[in-house]
Amino acid sequence: DAMVIQNPRYQVTQFGKPVTLSCSQTLNHNVMYWYQQKSSQAPKLLFHYYDKDFNNEADTPDNFQSRRPNTSFCFLDIRSPGLGDAAMYLCATSRGGVLSNQPQHFGDGTRLSIL
Amino acid sequence: LAKTTQPISMDSYEGQEVNITCSHNNIATNDYITWYQQFPSQGPRFIIQGYKTKVTNEVASLFIPADRKSSTLSLPRVSLSDTAVYYCLVGFAGSSNTGKLIFGQGTTLQVKP
Repeated sequence: DAMVIQNPRYQVTQFGKPVTLSCSQTLNHNVMYWYQQKSSQAPKLLFHYYDKDFNNEADTPDNFQSRRPNTSFCFLDIRSPGLGDAAMYLCATSRGGVLSNQPQHFGDGTRLSIL
Repeated sequence: LAKTTQPISMDSYEGQEVNITCSHNNIATNDYITWYQQFPSQGPRFIIQGYKTKVTNEVASLFIPADRKSSTLSLPRVSLSDTAVYYCLVGFAGSSNTGKLIFGQGTTLQVKP
């Protein structure tokens, strides 16, 4: 089945140690999104790629970076994780951009813990 | 300021119809309203999307009044498995073809036997 896959489902890292989260999709969608979701809160958009064009949200900390080497894969890099970065990170895809109103397809997330 | 507001929680019983309303006062002319369902430790799942009036699919209906400042997700005859968090998502169009996606804070629906 076509889907959005996030690996790993659970990630533990140490305070300040760089970590990378992965997302792959078989939907061939041109837009990929990264969200941060903390407990009992709505997902918060960090950034998205429209094809190779990177679009950062204004309030996303510089500590968060992203790479999209090809259509199928997208990575979230946290350069120096702090305790406040512990959260669920969700990857999503859509056929069109933010204004296209195409529904998003979400992965099941990676839960990141910081020691 | 673009903002999307929903009730924090709702309770219902099996077999009842549930209506969850989302307000989005500053929605732009071309923006759609999308509803998602989320279970614990899973990503949100698409339920329904609409622009105006009424949309119905196999699992829900979406009612949008003429002024489009709010929308109501209607779940007919809920079951225990409908216990989840429901989010409305609105894309607010900005200037120069930019846009911003705003999730509501989510409504936790608890369905009781």
